[in-house]
Amino acid sequence: DTGVSQDPRHKITKRGQNVTFRCDPISEHNRLYWYRQTLGQGPEFLTYFQNEAQLEKSRLLSDRFSAERPKGSFSTLEIQRTEQGDSAMYLCASSLPPGTGGENEKLFFGSGTQLSVL
Amino acid sequence: SQQGEEDPQALSIQEGENATMNCSYKTSINNLQWYRQNSGRGLVHLILIRSNEREKHSGRLRVTLDTSKKSSSLLITASRAADTASYFCATVPLYGQNFVFGPGTRLSVLP
Repeated sequence: DTGVSQDPRHKITKRGQNVTFRCDPISEHNRLYWYRQTLGQGPEFLTYFQNEAQLEKSRLLSDRFSAERPKGSFSTLEIQRTEQGDSAMYLCASSLPPGTGGENEKLFFGSGTQLSVL
Repeated sequence: SQQGEEDPQALSIQEGENATMNCSYKTSINNLQWYRQNSGRGLVHLILIRSNEREKHSGRLRVTLDTSKKSSSLLITASRAADTASYFCATVPLYGQNFVFGPGTRLSVLP
């Protein structure tokens, strides 16, 4: 499977614990995005990488959230001291760099990690 | 906060009917895209329309864009039960790389 993969698919944790999610983008994609989605809502932008550089962060990304993409390939999203309000689906998406043709401007999404904070 | 707003929030139709969903946005855009999401899954890209285009077709999909009204519509013709999903519009700002999604329209196609 050469699509975007996310791990784990589901995570249940207790309030106050730390959690880490992983995203493996499509191999030739240098752009990687993290979104958060709650039930009945659209995805909300969290952060975006181009290669290993984190170029944009949403105000939604509090200091408890950190994302990395150390070698410009896979990415991790860590949430420290989880709160019940963090319960959501965390979606990762990747895309080609600009100027590479018509496919470069669309996002390819993974299936997401569903986080439940008890 | 999300830039786009889809209308209606939910739509229920019979198989074979057409489904129309609308999207409004607030800022100048580079392009607008529509995505589909089945329950509990990631989003799948359907179609992209650039800011200098007014209409685009792809199979049973027809998208229109009115930049003066900052709105777009997605028409699905001859709907099928398998079209049941949530549909989201996403805008790419004129200056920026962040895709901004609306809250979506939940479409139910009844057999």
